[in-house]
Amino acid sequence: AQSVTQPDIHITVSEGASLELRCNYSYGATPYLFWYVQSPGQGLQLLLKYFSGDTLVQGIKGFEAEFKRSQSSFNLRKPSVHWSDAAEYFCAGDSNAGGTSYGKLTFGQGTILTVHP
Amino acid sequence: KAGVTQTPRYLIKTRGQQVTLSCSPISGHRSVSWYQQTPGQGLQFLFEYFSETQRNKGNFPGRFSGRQFSNSRSEMNVSTLELGDSALYLCASSPGLAQVADTQYFGPGTRLTVL
Repeated sequence: AQSVTQPDIHITVSEGASLELRCNYSYGATPYLFWYVQSPGQGLQLLLKYFSGDTLVQGIKGFEAEFKRSQSSFNLRKPSVHWSDAAEYFCAGDSNAGGTSYGKLTFGQGTILTVHP
Repeated sequence: KAGVTQTPRYLIKTRGQQVTLSCSPISGHRSVSWYQQTPGQGLQFLFEYFSETQRNKGNFPGRFSGRQFSNSRSEMNVSTLELGDSALYLCASSPGLAQVADTQYFGPGTRLTVL
């Protein structure tokens, strides 16, 4: 079955430190992959996406992610975290198979990021 | 462009009642997807509509239904509410191009509380 896994439920970093949030996927073929961020009580904001091509993708707010087919991973990174980055982060996949995949994103469980001053 | 809007933002209902949530997609987007978000189950796909037709459906009981209008606005309905239906309901819109994965843009959600 298609799945997206975020192994870390909660991560705490100090402001100014680097960040890496892990995401692993399980799909029959290379999926389309996304990272979204959610602030408390809010909807999801798209940070970046990977469809094909360059495996290092840049997003908004200084985030980037690298697609690694050999590791079935799509980890999110930021070189220096700001207090305003505290939120919940979701990795999501789309199987690109049409049919029963129409409009359906499969989400990981989310990673809550806490930023210490 | 205006983003995805959802109304109402908050709802309180009692068990057994029914509820209708509304979603207006980004102008020009023809696909609307609905998701339920709960602390225990996370984000789960409910259904997707494109050009007034349901193209895909998640694993939810028939109490959950939806529809889409000719202007691409969508509604979802939950009948005979249960306590477990308390959740944040998110809708997302995308262009809806066939056979291509679109980028979904999410609304702020409707927080439903069932008492």
